Amino acid sequence: AQKITQTQPGMFVQEKEAVTLDCTYDTSDPSYGLFWYKQPSSGEMIFLIYQGSYDQQNATEGRYSLNFQKARKSANLVISASQLGDSAMYFCAMRVTGNNNDMRFGAGTRLTVKP
Amino acid sequence: NAGVTQTPKFQVLKTGQSMTLQCAQDMNHNSMYWYRQDPGMGLRLIYYSASEGTTDKGEVPNGYNVSRLNKREFSLRLESAAPSQTSVYFCASSEAGRWPQHFGDGTRLSIL
Repeated sequence: AQKITQTQPGMFVQEKEAVTLDCTYDTSDPSYGLFWYKQPSSGEMIFLIYQGSYDQQNATEGRYSLNFQKARKSANLVISASQLGDSAMYFCAMRVTGNNNDMRFGAGTRLTVKP
Repeated sequence: NAGVTQTPKFQVLKTGQSMTLQCAQDMNHNSMYWYRQDPGMGLRLIYYSASEGTTDKGEVPNGYNVSRLNKREFSLRLESAAPSQTSVYFCASSEAGRWPQHFGDGTRLSIL
């Protein structure tokens, strides 16, 4: 069964600095996708970025980039130039292709951006 | 464009009562999901439906049942509510592959 691990319960970053949120995963399936979501205090889930296991390049979406190291089974989220509005919970998730579209989430990391 | 709509938004139940959480999506997605979110625990998958007519257990299915009524609607039923089921419940829908899930606003459920 697939498993997602986020080992950082909480992180602090100074405004305008970059921060890396860790995510490791475990699956024996060669075809899978990795997602990052943001959950602000208001509670909604906001999709940030996606990385496919066969994608040749690391995904980027504006200030978000994904540091995908397939051999290490890690998919860390990098947020550049942090803003106060980035303070939120961040979840890593994995979908194994062909596994009936099952999707599992990590426990999350609470990011606090300091002014 | 409503996306994923969950009802109710809040509910308080007594132990042993039953209730059904409703979820509907208007994006013509094949797959729908129910998660629960407890403080510090992230989202745990209860049940999902890969397509109309199919349902599968997730990580924490005990105490719950689901019905994929049609392509739009996926309901979650608590037959005999227990205090351990106090949580925030999220419904989501998506297509397969690289498409992200779209989430509802959640149902905050308290069981006394």
